[in-house]
Amino acid sequence: QVQLVQSGAEVKKRGASVKVSCKASGYSYTSYGITWVRQAPGQGLEWMGWINGYNGNTNYAQNVQGRVTMTTDTSTTTANMELRNLRSDDTAVYYCARVPLSGSGSPTFYYGVDVWGQGTTVTVSS
Amino acid sequence: DIQMTQSPSSLSASVGDRVTITCRTRQSISHYVNWYQQKPGQAPKLLIYTASDLQSGVPSRFSGSGSGTDFTLTISSLQPEDFATYYCQQSYSSPYTFGQGTKLEIK
Repeated sequence: QVQLVQSGAEVKKRGASVKVSCKASGYSYTSYGITWVRQAPGQGLEWMGWINGYNGNTNYAQNVQGRVTMTTDTSTTTANMELRNLRSDDTAVYYCARVPLSGSGSPTFYYGVDVWGQGTTVTVSS
Repeated sequence: DIQMTQSPSSLSASVGDRVTITCRTRQSISHYVNWYQQKPGQAPKLLIYTASDLQSGVPSRFSGSGSGTDFTLTISSLQPEDFATYYCQQSYSSPYTFGQGTKLEIK
């Protein structure tokens, strides 16, 4: 079945980096993009950006621009999200999710995000 | 950035009630709104896309409407499994922002 399986929980020090992986299976990986969304404890959903699973094109939200890098590996159908220079307010559950590609090749959110990973808890400690 | 203003932030209702949740934007986004349900400890689940299209497998008691700047999610007859937090998301332009969420609790 279609699924996204994320890597395990992480505890990091402030200023460190974290890399979360998202292994896709059950669908044509290069026909979709992967988007990343995070949720701080007790808070709402925050969109972080997307990556085209086929060509690696990216679009990052301004709130993490400069600290985030999203990558894709078509040979292992895995997307990765690295966040650098971690701050206390980066403590959150990080979700990857599948997004279809439009005719132009960019991920489109018009049809919603239908498949999500289970979430990865990242805790930033001082 | 397009800000999604969702209301109410919380809502108490009983099984069988009809409930409506609203999202508003300052600029027109046509019909490009999605709705999600999230239960504690779980990932969000897509309910509605492009304002009114029901995602496959979602019960028909869920419906969405609206266009331009005002959008609603309606649950026609609440079931026990519907008590959760609901989010709208605009799919019009990047960054694809979410509303603040509506926590639906049992009265």
